[in-house]
Parts: sequence; C-alpha cells; structure tokens
Amino acid sequence: SQTIHQWPATLVQPVGSPLSLECTVEGTSNPNLYWYRQAAGRGLQLLFYSVGIGQISSEVPQNLSASRPQDRQFILSSKKLLLSDSGFYLCAWSVRVASINSGNTIYFGEGSWLTVV
Amino acid sequence: QQQVKQSPQSLIVQKGGISIINCAYENTAFDYFPWYQQFPGKGPALLIAIRPDVSEKKEGRFTISFNKSAKQFSLHIMDSQPGDSATYFCAASSSFDFGNEKLTFGTGTRLTIIP
Repeated sequence: SQTIHQWPATLVQPVGSPLSLECTVEGTSNPNLYWYRQAAGRGLQLLFYSVGIGQISSEVPQNLSASRPQDRQFILSSKKLLLSDSGFYLCAWSVRVASINSGNTIYFGEGSWLTVV
Repeated sequence: QQQVKQSPQSLIVQKGGISIINCAYENTAFDYFPWYQQFPGKGPALLIAIRPDVSEKKEGRFTISFNKSAKQFSLHIMDSQPGDSATYFCAASSSFDFGNEKLTFGTGTRLTIIP
C-alpha cells in the first residue's frame, strides 16, 4: 500500500531564517506531488505541483520554492521566512495518470505546522 | 471557470440529524467529484467520490447527490454523530483535460455536531 511521510510535524522558526520541509511517498512510482498551505481555519491553497523529477509548477508567487530531487521526494524551501509564511503545510500525491476508477484522488500527508515568530 | 463554490462555511447540526453541504461548479469538463474530511491538526482524507454518470452514491451514512444539469453536488450525512465534527471539502477535476487534471477544492465547511 502507498504511504506518505512528511516532516517535521511542527516547526517554530524566526523571521528571516531558512525553511526545509520534506516529504516522501512509498509504494508507488512516478506520482504527481503537491504542496498545499492551509492558513488557520481556511481552505487549501495549492503552492506547487510536480509531475516528475525536476519538474515544478508554481501556482502562486511567493517566498517559497519547491524541488523534486528524486521520484518520490518533494521538498519545500525558503531562504528567508516571513511572518506570513506561518500555516499548516500539506504534502500530497496522486497517481500520474488518472483512470476511470481512481479519478484524480489526492492523498495527503499528516501536515507540518509552521509558526514564524 | 475553475472555481468550486462551497456552502455553508459553517454548520451546526444536532446529533441524529442530517448534515447537508453543497457545492457548485462551472467547468463542464469536470468529471470527478470527491469529498474530503479533515479533523483538526490532520491532513484531509478522501471520504467519498462520484462520477457524473450516476446521480447518487451512498457509502454508509454518507451520500453524494449529483445534479449534472445544475452543475451542483452535495454531501449528506445521515444520523450525524459527534465524531463527524470536522471540516469537509468538496473538490472537482477533469481526468483527461491535460493541464486541468489537478483537483480544484471548495473553501471548506466546518461541521459541528452537538449532543
């Protein structure tokens, strides 16, 4: 079965410090990978989307970047955090080619709470 | 055209009652409509999903009703229980519309079931 791991679970960082959140998926090959952000009590904002190694699409301009160094590894980074970067960050994956049965189901990780102080 | 509009933003239902959350979409290319359930501090998890070739899908106490002509779909939770208290997201995507295969999410509904 497929699993998704995301870490760290909780992070408190000062303004201006760097950020690295890591996500790995097991039990599947060549998945689509996603980073979402969820502000407190708000909806899901898609930040980055990747269909393969080194292929990153940015959905919104921001202070963050993403990289996919390996097929099942997705990293969210920042060189200098802003207060507005605080939130709940979710890594997710889906099968590369949707099918009639699977649709475009996205499977989320447990999330990482980032507080920038 | 990519938006999915979800209502209400929050909902309070008495235990044993029926919870109803509604979503509407514009993109007629959408052909997959999942609902996600999210508990506080956790990632969203797939609850139930429907394709437009059927008007209703039921799994236990959860039912999706789909109205293709109105471009609307809704989640019904029968016999609502306190354990159903969570945030619910509807979503939509087009399986074979290259570039639009990503899920588009609604803004979420915070459901509270009171005893």
